[in-house]
Amino acid sequence: TQLLEQSPQFLSIQEGENLTVYCNSSSVFSSLQWYRQEPGEGPVLLVTVVTGGEVKKLKRLTFQFGDARKDSSLHITAAQPGDTGLYLCAGVTPGANNLFFGTGTRLTVIP
Amino acid sequence: DTAVSQTPKYLVTQMGNDKSIKCEQNLGHDTMYWYKQDSKKFLKIMFSYNNKELIINETVPNRFSPKSPDKAHLNLHINSLELGDSAVYFCASSQEALQGSYGYTFGSGTRLTVV
Repeated sequence: TQLLEQSPQFLSIQEGENLTVYCNSSSVFSSLQWYRQEPGEGPVLLVTVVTGGEVKKLKRLTFQFGDARKDSSLHITAAQPGDTGLYLCAGVTPGANNLFFGTGTRLTVIP
Repeated sequence: DTAVSQTPKYLVTQMGNDKSIKCEQNLGHDTMYWYKQDSKKFLKIMFSYNNKELIINETVPNRFSPKSPDKAHLNLHINSLELGDSAVYFCASSQEALQGSYGYTFGSGTRLTVV
């Protein structure tokens, strides 16, 4: 069962553009995390959000957890080629400790 | 110092063979995991293990078995390898925390190819 659907699946943009990646589910999560994965490497944690409505900023990246804790978004301002990678959202369901990953968004930023 | 290290990085083997992938973490984390990433890059939990409990994803064939000699190691043994086992396998670790407030640290993966 696919708990977390990400959109878009693929995104190719020019350097300097803004973009938003969405992570949606019908399930409630006690926390949600975002990771970036580069070829040949494992996912690397970017942020964890735990409170409905929470917004966190990491330089040009802004993460938001939905009020109902069923969805999240990642907004990148003025994208750079170094932002290229596979972005993964991942959630923990209440009462569980395992992390379930989303379907992924492959971002390419063209110089 | 690599926080979570897996070996080997690449593994090519024939159908029917038995193989192992090793994983070690030096973070002092309580819980370790194995994930499988398929060709579409979807990451699926296989096992989670701490010194109290092994949780197995019910969809994982019993040909796969985790073995933990100590808190810092969680190895993955695979018997009678099949073509469909080809994938990238990731080991990860985290502090034990309810509600997943701690992030996971992943190894760099083992690409398994069964021929």
